[in-house]
Amino acid sequence: EIVMTQSPATLSVSPGERGTLSCRASQSVTSNLAWYQQKPGQAPRLLIYGASTRATGIPARFSGSGSGTEFTLTISSLQSEDFAVYYCQQYNNWPLTFGGGTKVEIK
Amino acid sequence: EVQLVESGGGLVKPGESLTLSCAASGFTFRSYSMNWVRQAPGKGLEWVSSITSSSTYINYADSVRGRFTISRDNAKNSLYLHMNSLRAEDTAVYYCTREGMESSSDYWGQGTLVTVSS
Repeated sequence: EIVMTQSPATLSVSPGERGTLSCRASQSVTSNLAWYQQKPGQAPRLLIYGASTRATGIPARFSGSGSGTEFTLTISSLQSEDFAVYYCQQYNNWPLTFGGGTKVEIK
Repeated sequence: EVQLVESGGGLVKPGESLTLSCAASGFTFRSYSMNWVRQAPGKGLEWVSSITSSSTYINYADSVRGRFTISRDNAKNSLYLHMNSLRAEDTAVYYCTREGMESSSDYWGQGTLVTVSS
């Protein structure tokens, strides 16, 4: 099983600042990685697939990068609606696995 | 508009069974693979099972293999999860998701809560 490790567990950022979230895979997942955003009481929402492609309707301030085992989600200028939990997921191998999540909170 | 609506959750005792349903609309259901993903209270996301468009290929997480069965009825635009021998650790919100671009989950239902407790 591929283990996905996200860091940090909590990221404290002021509105308007840049936020950088990391996701590491225990073995290569090539570019088969997605990022999801989840707000309290809501279902997750797909942000990024293929490590770097924004899903439909996702603002350009969200960007993904990386390949192999190291991935990054960057939020260029955090808006109030971006404070949430973010999960990475690999879909390169079965079983599909998620990271433990990064909570982005207001500083 | 793509919609996924789960139902069938509830409170059951350990060892009992439950079947979840997911009604899909707004897209050609028979053309997409589908997934079940769960989230225990206050915890992260856990993939449970996947099924291809014509049910040819099915995969399960080790934690549910042999107890859960995924199925679909393309004529009814519906996805199912039959859960047997339920355990306390199966307590979670269960989400139905569509497998979209490059096998990511591009649409999610609102989830249905399953509570396993005596």
